[in-house]
Amino acid sequence: IAGITQAPTSQILAAGRRMTLRCTQDMRHNAMYWYRQDLGLGLRLIHYSNTAGTTGKGEVPDGYSVSRANTDDFPLTLASAVPSQTSVYFCASSDSKGSRGYTFGSGTRLTVV
Amino acid sequence: AQSVTQLGSHVSVSEGALVLLRCNYSSSVPPYLFWYVQYPNQGLQLLLKYTSAATLVKGINGFEAEFKKSETSFHLTKPSAHMSDAAEYFCAVSDWSSASKIIFGSGTRLSIRP
Repeated sequence: IAGITQAPTSQILAAGRRMTLRCTQDMRHNAMYWYRQDLGLGLRLIHYSNTAGTTGKGEVPDGYSVSRANTDDFPLTLASAVPSQTSVYFCASSDSKGSRGYTFGSGTRLTVV
Repeated sequence: AQSVTQLGSHVSVSEGALVLLRCNYSSSVPPYLFWYVQYPNQGLQLLLKYTSAATLVKGINGFEAEFKKSETSFHLTKPSAHMSDAAEYFCAVSDWSSASKIIFGSGTRLSIRP
């Protein structure tokens, strides 16, 4: 079934540790996105990539980094996790025009303690 | 700059009653507008989208939304609520001049009373 796979599903992480959230899509979409979802704040864009080899900063990029080595994969890295990064993280993708909207993964629930 | 405002963080209706979730947008160019639904512990699913064709857009599960340029609104409606409609609903806007990035509203939680 075509879509987006995120891993892990959930994780408890000690503050200061490094963590990479994985995201893989099989729809050959050019654009990919990382959002975090927090109660009362909706979804906020962390980083995005319009095509393989390019990335850009979203609304809340601090403390996060991304890479886009190929079309399918868009990992999100927390270099040194802090408790404020406790959130649910969603990866999404879209075609270049985006008129079909986004396809979302099922999310990663991250707790930083 | 584009933005979207959802009026009411929580809406509660009785089963069988009309569902109305409000969304107003701000965009300097003709927008693409979307409604997404999120069931508990799941990702977001596209409910419907407006991309400058018909102003009344029909989506899945009996939902529809009407684009009203004069009111800058894109409210979501369903004539008769079902218990399975209980979820979080997000309105979103994009004008595609900003590299296809979609801006989401803060969400409206819909509860259905038996």
